[in-house]
Formats: sequence, structure tokens, C-alpha cells
Amino acid sequence: KAGVTQTPRYLIKTRGQQVTLSCSPISGHRSVSWYQQTPGQGLQFLFEYFSETQRNKGNFPGRFSGRQFSNSRSEMNVSTLELGDSALYLCASSWAQRFPRNEQFFGPGTRLTVL
Amino acid sequence: DQQVKQNSPSLSVQEGRISILNCDYTNSMFDYFLWYKKYPAEGPTFLISISSIKDKNEDGRFTVFLNKSAKHLSLHIVPSQPGDSAVYFCAATFNAMDSNYQLIWGAGTKLIIKP
Repeated sequence: KAGVTQTPRYLIKTRGQQVTLSCSPISGHRSVSWYQQTPGQGLQFLFEYFSETQRNKGNFPGRFSGRQFSNSRSEMNVSTLELGDSALYLCASSWAQRFPRNEQFFGPGTRLTVL
Repeated sequence: DQQVKQNSPSLSVQEGRISILNCDYTNSMFDYFLWYKKYPAEGPTFLISISSIKDKNEDGRFTVFLNKSAKHLSLHIVPSQPGDSAVYFCAATFNAMDSNYQLIWGAGTKLIIKP
């Protein structure tokens, strides 16, 4: 079974631009969640989607948004990029509805650098 | 405000000995705790979890202990193996408001197993 895939793996943008990251979950998984990891900090939860609906949301500004498609693939968008948005963005998927207690399967992440 | 703290950025343990990774938390609303480990250039992988109504959960070489009065949990790995060298993240969940579940992560502890 293929794992969670994220594209692109690396991205360089400049301040003020916007960016869209993509995540394809494991086949059959309907829950997709997104996390930001910055140096020296743990992961910070952005949001979670299940069956195309955002069910849970972390404490991030509205510049961070996401969506999920009918095939469970998900995209995350960051508008008006700031230097502090430079981070590793991780996506995870799971099959159960018991987010966040259930085991989540993570992709390798997208490394975003904002110049 | 770090609600989940892993105060040791790194830990070095001899192969075959016990590794003990610690995690402290401040939010008494946390009702479930998880441990993930992460190898470089890969996403985190789930290790073990524990509900707040229990004080111990065991899975093979991994045991998690929860001390609610001290707001402290620990992960024990016995015996430690070279493949256990990774960054270990502690995470905690709670229902913030209106079924908006949060997953709060620690900053991670890098475990190094010496041969």
C-alpha cells in the first residue's frame, strides 16, 4: 500500500506570495490533517479534514487555509507569505474518525522557504 | 505558552540499556497522550498511546507511564537498540470547544543509542 505523498517536497517563495501544498493520503483514509514544524519547536496542528469537511482547527491565522476533495486528497494554501512561515509542512492521514486519538500516518513533508 | 514540554533536547543511551524519555504538560484538560518517533527526512511514525484514565500502557519494548497528579508522562524503551535512534515527540489531545479537538506537540527529544 502506498504511503502518504506530499508535493512538492521543496519550495522557495518570496514574502507576499501565496503557496499551495498538496497531500495524497493512503488509499481508504478519509481523514487528513496538516502540521507545521519549525526548528526547535514541535509540530503545530493546523487543521483536520474528514469527508471534505474541516472538522478540527488549530490556532493559526486565516492566511492558512485548506480543503479536501472527494477522493480525500487535500491541499493547504498559505497567502501573503511571511518569513516566519518558513517551515516543514507535514500532512498525515488516518482511516478512523477518532482524530486525534487514532494512529496517523505522516508523509515526508514539504520544506517551504520564504525569502 | 508551551503546554507540552520535553525538557531534554537530547539523550544518549548505551545499546541494551533502558531509555527513558520524559514529557511534562500543563493543561489538565488533556485526555489522551501519544508518542511518535521521527527519522531524518521522514514523517513521524506512531509508537504508543495512553488514555488519561490509565497510568500505564505497554507494547513490546515500549511502555508509557502517566502520572496525572504530576502532569508527567514518560516513555521507556527496553532494551534500547540502534534503530531506536530518532527524535521522539510527545503529543496530547483535548476537546477545546464545540468538539474542536486539538493535538498539542512537544518540541521533541533526540535519542542517540550508542553501540
